[in-house]
Amino acid sequence: GENVEQHPSTLSVQEGDSAVIKCTYSDSASNYFPWYKQELGKGPQLIIDIRSNVGEKKDQRIAVTLNKTAKHFSLHITETQPEDSAVYFCAESNFGNEKLTFGTGTRLTIIP
Amino acid sequence: DAGVIQSPRHEVTEMGQEVTLRCKPISGHNSLFWYRQTMMRGLELLIYFNNNVPIDDSGMPEDRFSAKMPNASFSTLKIQPSEPRDSAVYFCASSLGLSGTTQYFGPGTRLTVL
Repeated sequence: GENVEQHPSTLSVQEGDSAVIKCTYSDSASNYFPWYKQELGKGPQLIIDIRSNVGEKKDQRIAVTLNKTAKHFSLHITETQPEDSAVYFCAESNFGNEKLTFGTGTRLTIIP
Repeated sequence: DAGVIQSPRHEVTEMGQEVTLRCKPISGHNSLFWYRQTMMRGLELLIYFNNNVPIDDSGMPEDRFSAKMPNASFSTLKIQPSEPRDSAVYFCASSLGLSGTTQYFGPGTRLTVL
């Protein structure tokens, strides 16, 4: 079945610096790659997503890059702020399939 | 928009008891998903429905778990009998029902089985 590896599992970054989280997938049919942010005591919320026909997408301080050849995609957060502290999950799915396979999560801590 | 609503938010029960978790999806959404989150296994999809019909229940752990969606605005996840290893946070999510669309998660139910 599908498998998504996510690294690192924990990441501490000084406020104002950048954070990068990477995911690798195994299914060449995967074509949708969302990123979710989960704050303490809440459910995951979508923050950005990318489809396989695009190599990069940006939304203010957040960007996602996709390398289909290497089967990996990354989340980039620039100018980090304390409110960016949370657990981040990558996920993937195939065209025509609603099921998402989630990565194992990265606990990001922003140090003031 | 009220978002996905789950109840109860917390449930503490004793081993062997029946547990029922409830979910109200976002109005107009056609798909509903039940997930379980634990430290050991992360976020696992248990089952999902499209237009009230179960599409994939391959993630349901065993016969002790069952899920229903009697109408477009309500779903239940039942565990009978419950066991301590069922302790987890259970999330319900809904979406428009198309591949590659956003899943909106509820706040979750934290279940503790003693």
